[in-house]
Amino acid sequence: DGGITQSPKYLFRKEGQNVTLSCEQNLNHDAMYWYRQDPGQGLRLIYYSQIVNDFQKGDIAEGYSVSREKKESFPLTVTSAQKNPTAFYLCASSANVPSDTEAFFGQGTRLTVV
Amino acid sequence: DAKTTQPTSMDCAEGRAANLPCNHSTISGNEYVYWYRQIHSQGPQYIIHGLKNNETNEMASLIITEDRKSSTLILPHATLRDTAVYYCIVRVEGAGGTSYGKLTFGQGTILTVHP
Repeated sequence: DGGITQSPKYLFRKEGQNVTLSCEQNLNHDAMYWYRQDPGQGLRLIYYSQIVNDFQKGDIAEGYSVSREKKESFPLTVTSAQKNPTAFYLCASSANVPSDTEAFFGQGTRLTVV
Repeated sequence: DAKTTQPTSMDCAEGRAANLPCNHSTISGNEYVYWYRQIHSQGPQYIIHGLKNNETNEMASLIITEDRKSSTLILPHATLRDTAVYYCIVRVEGAGGTSYGKLTFGQGTILTVHP
């Protein structure tokens, strides 16, 4: 089945540690995205990538880093510089063609920093 | 992208139509209206989108007013599994490729379908 896989579903880390969240897609989509969601709030864009080896900051990029070395993968690192890292993280992908504008989301990773 | 306004919450009886309104009074001519929904603790799911004509698919219908300042998402026969947060999003689209997943989410409407 085609789709987006995020792992793990739940992640616990100690304060001050960097942590990397995985996102893989087999939809052959050029574009990938990372969003953050806090309780009772909508999603906010962290980073996005329109093509391999290229990415742009979203609205809340501070304290996060990404890489896009392969079309299928877009890992997100939550660094110790992120002041409030506990949140629900969602990865998405989309084709970059006007005839196919639907974005597909993964099931999310819930990160808890203690 | 234009800002949207949605009611915070709505209720609907199972089997009845759910009509979710969205106000986007500052929408521009090249902005589309998209609807996504998010079931608790899952990723959002695309429902439907449109520019100015009414649209229908297997999940829902989208009715956009003639002046395009508001729209309504209609779930014709709501089920318990339709309980979710529904997001109305407007975004600019154009030729030459664009990031279609670059979406601005508000707080959405919490739709509760009850037996």
